[in-house]
Amino acid sequence: GAVVSQHPSRVICKSGTSVKIECRSLDFQATTMFWYRQFPKKSLMLMATSNEGSKATYEQGVEKDKFLINHASLTLSTLTVTSAHPEDSSFYICSARGFLAGLRGTDTQYFGPGTRLTVL
Amino acid sequence: EDKVVQSPLSLVVHEGDTVTLNCSYEVTNFRSLLWYKQEKKAPTFLFMLTSSGIEKKSGRLSSILDKKELFSILNITATQTGDSAVYLCAVDRGSSNTGKLIFGQGTTLQVKP
Repeated sequence: GAVVSQHPSRVICKSGTSVKIECRSLDFQATTMFWYRQFPKKSLMLMATSNEGSKATYEQGVEKDKFLINHASLTLSTLTVTSAHPEDSSFYICSARGFLAGLRGTDTQYFGPGTRLTVL
Repeated sequence: EDKVVQSPLSLVVHEGDTVTLNCSYEVTNFRSLLWYKQEKKAPTFLFMLTSSGIEKKSGRLSSILDKKELFSILNITATQTGDSAVYLCAVDRGSSNTGKLIFGQGTTLQVKP
């Protein structure tokens, strides 16, 4: 099946620093990638939609200057949390949209393993 | 407003029991309904349903969609402790909405030995 990787899986940083998280689709090309944030015991909250070669589309209430998204290729999107603060601590998950093997026309989303960010 | 509602929100059963998780939805431009299982990490894909009445099966898990009544169920038979997780239902509204998924709140399943 489709595989999406995220790096790093866990990061601890000091307040005020910036953190970059990478999301890669390993065995398929993903024209669209999504970035989610998840708080404990809550469902996934979509932050932004990332399309290859164009600017990301942010959901209402998500600061685009705070959460910088770059989608440079069909297999890589990055999320940079700038000037991180403790309230940015969360579980960040990316997903990539692609086709199930052998089922053209029925693309769906595959999730990366997530990145646990802790800002001290 | 598009929404996806899951029930129950939490469930505690014993090994060997059968459970049914529910997902109802109200969305424009429905394309497919997806079920995911989430343990300590990110969600893992279980099923994608696009047509009514066709059951998808994977081992002890099965799921079916009713597009007329706008709901789906996920069944787990002979539950095991390893089935303990949060089960997420999501609806895909297709490319007209850039492929964004709308998630339900999730059902937390705990299977006791």
